[in-house]
Amino acid sequence: LAKTTQPISMDSYEGQEVNITCSHNNIATNDYITWYQQFPSQGPRFIIQGYKTKVTNEVASLFIPADRKSSTLSLPRVSLSDTAVYYCLVGGPNSNSGYALNFGKGTSLLVTP
Amino acid sequence: KAGVTQTPRYLIKTRGQQVTLSCSPISGHRSVSWYQQTPGQGLQFLFEYFSETQRNKGNFPGRFSGRQFSNSRSEMNVSTLELGDSALYLCASSLAKGTATDEQYFGPGTRLTVT
Repeated sequence: LAKTTQPISMDSYEGQEVNITCSHNNIATNDYITWYQQFPSQGPRFIIQGYKTKVTNEVASLFIPADRKSSTLSLPRVSLSDTAVYYCLVGGPNSNSGYALNFGKGTSLLVTP
Repeated sequence: KAGVTQTPRYLIKTRGQQVTLSCSPISGHRSVSWYQQTPGQGLQFLFEYFSETQRNKGNFPGRFSGRQFSNSRSEMNVSTLELGDSALYLCASSLAKGTATDEQYFGPGTRLTVT
């Protein structure tokens, strides 16, 4: 099972780019990497998902190096409303015909003016 | 389109009791997953249901169980409650592919307190 490690907290100013890195040294061949955002009193919200290289959508980019042992969520030009907890999820089908899922402990991002 | 709904939102139970939580997925979503979230352990996967069958299961004791109905609504049950079961229980739905490779839509959760 891929152990997923991410920084506990990060601070940023409005308008800056924020990069949050997740370490998953034991990632399996079939595992995908997914990032979720969670605000207080709400369930997590999907941000982006990738398997390798780079994925970009309207809100973020996900960079995955060739060895896939880490991944970086990039949030361009953050605003105050991006203050939230960000979770890295690594998982995929396993040999027992099920899924292995491993969430990181979450990175609390604080954006200030 | 309505989001994932969970009932009740808050619940207080006594040690030894049992509890049933309910989840209604987004219309058209056939996969429902359950998670436990605590400050100490973070987000942990409980199980996933697809077409009324448990397709995937996390590493939780047998006191935690669930089921899915033909309309994709799901319930989870915890028997013989322990203090450590106090947590936010989250339900998530997705179209079909499954928990790890599909975009999941989470409900607001049920806050369970065991005294």
